[in-house]
Amino acid sequence: RKEVEQDPGPFNVPEGATVAFNCTYSNSASQSFFWYRQDCRKEPKLLMSVYSSGNEDGRFTAQLNRASQYISLLIRDSKLSDSATYLCVVTTTSGTYKYIFGTGTRLKVLA
Amino acid sequence: GAVVSQHPSWVICKSGTSVKIECRSLDFQATTMFWYRQFPKQSLMLMATSNEGSKATYEQGVEKDKFLINHASLTLSTLTVTSAHPEDSSFYICSASGTSWYEQYFGPGTRLTVT
Repeated sequence: RKEVEQDPGPFNVPEGATVAFNCTYSNSASQSFFWYRQDCRKEPKLLMSVYSSGNEDGRFTAQLNRASQYISLLIRDSKLSDSATYLCVVTTTSGTYKYIFGTGTRLKVLA
Repeated sequence: GAVVSQHPSWVICKSGTSVKIECRSLDFQATTMFWYRQFPKQSLMLMATSNEGSKATYEQGVEKDKFLINHASLTLSTLTVTSAHPEDSSFYICSASGTSWYEQYFGPGTRLTVT
């Protein structure tokens, strides 16, 4: 079983739609969680951190369920510019603080 | 702030040659740098972690004699792919963390093609 799992998609949605991505992780000792966005042939860019209480940044909402070891990202009112791959990142402290990336979920927002 | 650069952004080399990739933190001191590799349609896989002045710690399955990492200063780490082969063709990305040890800042990546 992979440490961090995501549905690879692709998710093809019309502009204005609401779309949700899920991510599960296997290490219950994981401490921090992030969502990154990666455009084709570019480096990943931090979208938002994920907190147990849930957090929102504009059209983006992230949730963490530690009991179920599950993270989600909700995008409301999708824009064409939201088309990208969304990477779930979980950290672990087995010696050094390391990022474990999920395989990513591809989103394509259609006009 | 927190800008990380990589050089070169892309490189083509012949099989059997070595390639060096530089990763620099431009506006902060990077106590730890990370090197990742990403194959097409796959996620980033951590190759190694390096702390300034120390030997790098390699992830399982990554050959330390093939992927030489040097982190000689707080702003520079280098990855040298020795005796490169076509299967080493990939997107290599570095990241750096400083005093905010839980945050990593990513470089723009280096696309390596070995012919």
